[in-house]
Amino acid sequence: NAGVTQTPKFQVLKTGQSMTLQCAQDMNHNSMYWYRQDPGMGLRLIYYSASEGTTDKGEVPNGYNVSRLNKREFSLRLESAAPSQTSVYFCASSALAGDGEQFFGPGTRLTVL
Amino acid sequence: GQSLEQPSEVTAVEGAIVQINCTYQTSGFYGLSWYQQHDGGAPTFLSYNALDGLEETGRFSSFLSRSDSYGYLLLQELQMKDSASYFCAVNRRGGADGLTFGKGTHLIIQP
Repeated sequence: NAGVTQTPKFQVLKTGQSMTLQCAQDMNHNSMYWYRQDPGMGLRLIYYSASEGTTDKGEVPNGYNVSRLNKREFSLRLESAAPSQTSVYFCASSALAGDGEQFFGPGTRLTVL
Repeated sequence: GQSLEQPSEVTAVEGAIVQINCTYQTSGFYGLSWYQQHDGGAPTFLSYNALDGLEETGRFSSFLSRSDSYGYLLLQELQMKDSASYFCAVNRRGGADGLTFGKGTHLIIQP
């Protein structure tokens, strides 16, 4: 069981470039989430997916899009990267909607120049 | 807006007990979670309280008072490996709309 996996681990982009962060879980969880974490800050929710086929905006969705490809995979896309999107991005999953226990991936460290 | 307040830093001695407090003001509340995060690592789940009272898991305990909008994480028999950041997080709506996190408490353990 790998749990939650994310690729890539590190990425450097130039302003205006696009990229997709990949996330997959092998725990048969229904719900998946994308958070960002900035230095000295807690995690802030970008988008979430309660179940396969549904996605909804979180606290800070601007500049991002998501796709719940199937039950296992949930990707985050930056269409036109900006320096303000420099952050660490964490994907997480939970077995049921509303679970207080979420399982996090190792994170993607993104720098936008 | 939503706010969760916790101390930014706490220092304690190896072998001692430390309590990390969290007060919250959110539109909606279903439960309070606690997560641990080591530098450069991912958050890992420690505990969840949906009802008032104390939950105990080994050396870690968590308490919730819904009437006071307050909770705490209690760490006993502190070990050097407990040096990390600890986050409280609120489940606001009970649905899969993610958690609202506090800014974290950096716990420093001294020998």
